[in-house]
Amino acid sequence: QSVLTQPPSVSEAPRQRVTISCSGSSSNIGNNAVSWYQQLPGKAPKLLIFYDDLLPSGVSDRFSGSKSDTSASLAISGLQSEDEADYFCAAWDDSLNGWVFGGGTKLTVL
Amino acid sequence: QVQLVQSGAEVKKPGASVKVSCKASGYTFSSYEINWVRQATGQGLEWMGWMSPNSGSTVYAQKFQGRVTMTRSTSISTAYMELSSLMSEDTAVYYCARLLITGTIRYFDLWGRGTLVTVSS
Repeated sequence: QSVLTQPPSVSEAPRQRVTISCSGSSSNIGNNAVSWYQQLPGKAPKLLIFYDDLLPSGVSDRFSGSKSDTSASLAISGLQSEDEADYFCAAWDDSLNGWVFGGGTKLTVL
Repeated sequence: QVQLVQSGAEVKKPGASVKVSCKASGYTFSSYEINWVRQATGQGLEWMGWMSPNSGSTVYAQKFQGRVTMTRSTSISTAYMELSSLMSEDTAVYYCARLLITGTIRYFDLWGRGTLVTVSS
């Protein structure tokens, strides 16, 4: 069981917008920044969002992040087939003194 | 080119140990912590611990305490993760990841391609 809770899967049609949630607690999301990672099939994770809502250089602005209290969200607009991947959230946990991840959400572009 | 290059796939028997390497290039190895994260097939990511290439200090996740050892060779910019007393449940892809720290901001900005470790009798 992952410390951070994500929906196992989401799906949406091309050109639409989808949101992926990540729920935690006061010891992780509530007190530390969230980052998001995209994992294409058979590939290593790739940084999408850091410090809750910041985009690294080179990442499309179709991706955006937000956080409120102990939950965070990743939004992807203008969905494209190449967005089909697994998406993970991560945060430092002060109680566990370590990094915690969500279980991952598989995005299907219909 | 900034990258982390990991060693190849391993097949081990239960009870054995495995040592995975992660060679850094394109940046100053000693400037960034190296973390190890694993992923069992179809499962989520699981953090194992981190190592400071500068000092060699380590922090391990409680789950792996006593079974994991993270070391480095600064002369060849390589980090190592050794896991002992392997069980079938340790079958997973093991990733090394660079941790970027700027003040209170921390995130994994660079990942290796992963090393598949299969534990089977």
